[in-house]
Amino acid sequence: DAKTTQPPSMDCAEGRAANLPCNHSTISGNEYVYWYRQIHSQGPQYIIHGLKNNETNEMASLIITEDRKSSTLILPHATLRDTAVYYCIVKGSGNTGKLIFGQGTTLQVKP
Amino acid sequence: GAVVSQHPSWVICKSGTSVKIECRSLDFQATTMFWYRQFPKQSLMLMATSNEGSKATYEQGVEKDKFLINHASLTLSTLTVTSAHPEDSSFYICSARFVASGRANEQFFGPGTRLTVL
Repeated sequence: DAKTTQPPSMDCAEGRAANLPCNHSTISGNEYVYWYRQIHSQGPQYIIHGLKNNETNEMASLIITEDRKSSTLILPHATLRDTAVYYCIVKGSGNTGKLIFGQGTTLQVKP
Repeated sequence: GAVVSQHPSWVICKSGTSVKIECRSLDFQATTMFWYRQFPKQSLMLMATSNEGSKATYEQGVEKDKFLINHASLTLSTLTVTSAHPEDSSFYICSARFVASGRANEQFFGPGTRLTVL
């Protein structure tokens, strides 16, 4: 599975959009981009995943570049409860492949 | 839907004793469950992959005789930390892979179990 690179930390003002970048330059054609987040002392929470098209759900939007070498997770209106560590993970499709967590980005939403 | 529970949520034990942690998928079947360990201020580290009805597959460096994994049914996997020592104190998290058609890529995580070995 391809590796990912994320900034170690980011700040965001409450109510503003939080844009979290992720580089995955070695991603292969059948690998998906997953985003999870972990609020302190809890298990990770699934946010969204995508292959090559942009995706949106009730939590966030995922923008994947055309060459698929990078992506951005967008939280449209960040709240204090969105403060967490956000993990970008690349994984193959199907029932094979494991979620391997990197260091993630610590997002601090400030009032 | 897609809820994963862990029991206990926290446990304190004496050095040398064994501790069992349960991971259950409450409203779906999971042929595959995963066990992770997380030390303070570090990321999750995958320990092993547990498949229902077969032996677990351990990641490099994880002692299979120390961390016993049993996956006896489609909704339950257990992790037993044998002869626990203070260095085994950690946050243990399980996840379950959703089996239903079209959702095989999603994994759902339990809330974690905090183990403290005195």
